[in-house]
Amino acid sequence: DAGVIQSPRHEVTEMGQEVTLRCKPISGHNSLFWYRQTMMRGLELLIYFNNNVPIDDSGMPEDRFSAKMPNASFSTLKIQPSEPRDSAVYFCASRTAGRNTEAFFGQGTRLTVV
Amino acid sequence: QQPVQSPQAVILREGEDAVINCSSSKALYSVHWYRQKHGEAPVFLMILLKGGEQKGHEKISASFNEKKQQSSLYLTASQLSYSGTYFCGSMGGGADGLTFGKGTHLIIQP
Repeated sequence: DAGVIQSPRHEVTEMGQEVTLRCKPISGHNSLFWYRQTMMRGLELLIYFNNNVPIDDSGMPEDRFSAKMPNASFSTLKIQPSEPRDSAVYFCASRTAGRNTEAFFGQGTRLTVV
Repeated sequence: QQPVQSPQAVILREGEDAVINCSSSKALYSVHWYRQKHGEAPVFLMILLKGGEQKGHEKISASFNEKKQQSSLYLTASQLSYSGTYFCGSMGGGADGLTFGKGTHLIIQP
């Protein structure tokens, strides 16, 4: 398997624009996580899905952020409208259900909002 | 709630040992340890489960005190390749997500 695939790897956008980040989890994994990483706040859990269903979105910072998982092989994180403080690295991770299963991370999307 | 890690940063000479601690205010079902190199994604090191089960890296050891909701990662005879940021992740029971602490920056000097 190619691992968790995220796109784009880098995104530069202007304040106020809509940004969509994409994630393809590892085939067979039924849990998917979205994280935001900054120097100040570390690795924050934004939202996670089990079997394509959002379980907990309490980490989503504002209504400007939304996430979907229309099927088992694709998820999106959308920011609309984007703001400079949204600049961060966004990671997607997936894992299988089970007591001792680890999460595998994608390479991340570095978002810069100017 | 995020687990709390300590120390925030450690600088060692090659060959020295280090301990990284992680604690949580909520009941833990499992503790996950990851390492992240600069500019890369976090990589799995170890899982420790309630009840004593462990899975992970052969050269890394860790402990999990269920009563105190604490875990420690032990890095012995450190190598230059051990440099990076170490994250402790926690999962409670049920449908909890995997929540990480703010990380411990480890620098190994020759």
